Amino acid sequence: KAGVTQTPRYLIKTRGQQVTLSCSPISGHRSVSWYQQTPGQGLQFLFEYFSETQRNKGNFPGRFSGRQFSNSRSEMNVSTLELGDSALYLCASSRDRVYEQYFGPGTRLTVT
Amino acid sequence: QQQVKQSPQSLIVQKGGISIINCAYENTAFDYFPWYQQFPGKGPALLIAIRPDVSEKKEGRFTISFNKSAKQFSLHIMDSQPGDSATYFCAANYPGTYKYIFGTGTRLKVLA
Repeated sequence: KAGVTQTPRYLIKTRGQQVTLSCSPISGHRSVSWYQQTPGQGLQFLFEYFSETQRNKGNFPGRFSGRQFSNSRSEMNVSTLELGDSALYLCASSRDRVYEQYFGPGTRLTVT
Repeated sequence: QQQVKQSPQSLIVQKGGISIINCAYENTAFDYFPWYQQFPGKGPALLIAIRPDVSEKKEGRFTISFNKSAKQFSLHIMDSQPGDSATYFCAANYPGTYKYIFGTGTRLKVLA
């Protein structure tokens, strides 16, 4: 069974631009969560989607948003990029009612 | 924000030795405690997890010890190998959700 896939793997953007990251969960997994990983703040929860609905949200500004499609694929968007948004963005998927989360390889975003 | 405190920050162990990483949590409502292993350039990989109604869980060379009264849990890696050199994260989830709170990570180096 294929794992969680994320595209693109690497991205360089300029401050003020916006970016969209994509995540395809493991087949059969309907929950998709997003995390930001930085050396200073570690792994921080952004939000979680299930059946196209946001179920939980972390403490990030409104510039960070996401959505989920009917096939469970998910995208996250960051608008008006700031230098501090440079991070590894990780997507994780889970089956319903099972707490195990399986992470993708991440998208490395660099904001210059 | 509820925290999960992880120690030590880094650890050096001889090949064949036992690696021990500790985590402490605050929220007694947490009900799922996974450990993840992350190699450079990769996403975190689920190693082993435990529920608070169990005091110990073993999978191969990896063991979780859980002390509910002390609100602590630890990962033991027996017969540590150079291939175990990675960063390890503990986590806990908010009950009924896929929202994980992660520890700050432990960088393990196993010397050959």
